[in-house]
Amino acid sequence: DGGITQSPKYLFRKEGQNVTLSCEQNLNHDAMYWYRQDPGQGLRLIYYSQIVNDFQKGDIAEGYSVSREKKESFPLTVTSAQKNPTAFYLCASSSATGGETQYFGPGTRLLVL
Amino acid sequence: GQQLNQSPQSMFIQEGEDVSMNCTSSSIFNTWLWYKQDPGEGPVLLIALYKAGELTSNGRLTAQFGITRKDSFLNISASIPSDVGIYFCAGQADYKLSFGAGTTVTVRA
Repeated sequence: DGGITQSPKYLFRKEGQNVTLSCEQNLNHDAMYWYRQDPGQGLRLIYYSQIVNDFQKGDIAEGYSVSREKKESFPLTVTSAQKNPTAFYLCASSSATGGETQYFGPGTRLLVL
Repeated sequence: GQQLNQSPQSMFIQEGEDVSMNCTSSSIFNTWLWYKQDPGEGPVLLIALYKAGELTSNGRLTAQFGITRKDSFLNISASIPSDVGIYFCAGQADYKLSFGAGTTVTVRA
């Protein structure tokens, strides 16, 4: 069945370490997104990609990087430059034929050791 | 993107009650969306609104896209325990969503 998967569910990062969060979708959606969620706040956009091999910075891109080599995959790397990485990270995707309505994955919680 | 003004921030409701929450913005949106999020999970789409003035229902949920395109409300009728969770509004312009901070709903049995 179709959907968006994120792995791992929980991820621990040591100081100075880069970590990569996985996001895969089999919905044949063109656009994919990464959001960060902190307690008591709405979601904030980190990066988004409308087509393969192209992506744009969102509102809080500093300390993060992405790639979009395949339509189905949009991994997010949290670099050591991100000084406050502890958060819940959500991936989403959308299609033009669906009115660009975004559907979300189950999320990855990143914790710093 | 901007953060939308969503109210109330939280609510305690009695099972069987009707509840209402709303979202306002200083910007115009092309689409308004309402999501529900359970703890530790991703948001699940409840209702999508694509046209100013549109009123749409999904079971016990009803939402409206404000005529000015700057606001939306969500009503839940006859609350049940599984309505507990955080409800988010989102306004969409182009490919980007702007979110409200969420309304936390707790149901008293």
